[in-house]
Amino acid sequence: DGGITQSPKYLFRKEGQNVTLSCEQNLNHDAMYWYRQDPGQGLRLIYYSQIVNDFQKGDIAEGYSVSREKKESFPLTVTSAQKNPTAFYLCASSFNRGRYEQYFGPGTRLTVT
Amino acid sequence: GENVEQHPSTLSVQEGDSAVIKCTYSDSASNYFPWYKQELGKRPQLIIDIRSNVGEKKDQRIAVTLNKTAKHFSLHITETQPEDSAVYFCAASGAGGSYIPTFGRGTSLIVHP
Repeated sequence: DGGITQSPKYLFRKEGQNVTLSCEQNLNHDAMYWYRQDPGQGLRLIYYSQIVNDFQKGDIAEGYSVSREKKESFPLTVTSAQKNPTAFYLCASSFNRGRYEQYFGPGTRLTVT
Repeated sequence: GENVEQHPSTLSVQEGDSAVIKCTYSDSASNYFPWYKQELGKRPQLIIDIRSNVGEKKDQRIAVTLNKTAKHFSLHITETQPEDSAVYFCAASGAGGSYIPTFGRGTSLIVHP
């Protein structure tokens, strides 16, 4: 299924705790993305990265942070500043030179109580 | 920036009927239009895409049409089957060389046996 993995599949945290979601790809893709999915809201872009050691905010970056130290990895940290963190989080990757298709990971469902 | 509107939000059909989902986009410079299918609890998967230099593309029971003048594109599914039941997302990208897609809010397709 495309060589992009996310872990864990389900994650439960208490309010006020930071949590890091993992995303790894072996597709040699340059670009990686994080989306948040809520019922009826489609896919909203949190952060994206075009190359190693560089990333940009998406539409809903507040309360989230990322790093891109390796081409294969793009972890997302949901901080305690995120007011409503319970959601389904999807990671994706793509080439960034003339080929636009995105490949998605299986997702992580985060529940914060 | 780009804005993508998708209709309807829910579509219910009988097995064997056709289903049509429509999207409009705002940036006339967008040139890549993918469609993703997301089954319940699973990752979105690319099912078909079209570039702005063609007006129609078919793959077995699915087809996508693009009207650049009107800035809209549609997904057509013929002879629907229960396994076609899923949420379908359209997207647009390519304006200004950007490969970051803007997604529609999704259409929940229900195929009744």
